[in-house]
Amino acid sequence: DSGVTQTPKHLITATGQRVTLRCSPRSGDLSVYWYQQSLDQGLQFLIQYYNGEERAKGNILERFSAQQFPDLHSELNLSSLELGDSALYFCASSLLGQGSGELFFGEGSRLTVL
Amino acid sequence: GQQVMQIPQYQHVQEGEDFTTYCNSSTTLSNIQWYKQRPGGHPVFLIQLVKSGEVKKQKRLTFQFGEAKKNSSLHITATQTTDVGTYFCPYNQGGKLIFGQGTELSVKP
Repeated sequence: DSGVTQTPKHLITATGQRVTLRCSPRSGDLSVYWYQQSLDQGLQFLIQYYNGEERAKGNILERFSAQQFPDLHSELNLSSLELGDSALYFCASSLLGQGSGELFFGEGSRLTVL
Repeated sequence: GQQVMQIPQYQHVQEGEDFTTYCNSSTTLSNIQWYKQRPGGHPVFLIQLVKSGEVKKQKRLTFQFGEAKKNSSLHITATQTTDVGTYFCPYNQGGKLIFGQGTELSVKP
């Protein structure tokens, strides 16, 4: 158990819909990362937050947004969903947010868009 | 821009054979990490390498960081079925930890 909690574990929805994925980081970790994993794209970095502020941005679509709340949990919002958004979405946390040091991953949220 | 290539993308070995995966960068890396993701699981941290020429061992796993800090390797001696999974070598790019496709290892008993 990494200490990182992601909900929901599985989500099935239709094209055009909007979903919210939630992540609770490990106790004491200030940084949260979101990654998307699909079969043909490997593990893609989406966005990183550190202590409530956006720290780094990757190839995140404009239809996607995220935030980190004062209690340090984070949400990833995916809107106007397309078939190609079907993937496993991982949240990871770390104590600091400088790109070094161990990342602890949650179990992931598997999104299926029909 | 900076890019790290990991090879091979897939490797199938017989149990007991050795396995090596390589990560090669076009530029000098500040550090490199290694993670393992079992099928159906999430990535799990194995190690971080920081120093030029660094070699670290974890039981049957040997990790190396090149002298020029542009390449790294993970070598598994005498693979076991428990070694099955995808191995990633994410690198630090401006504070972001960038993963790639990884190397998928399958082990035939």
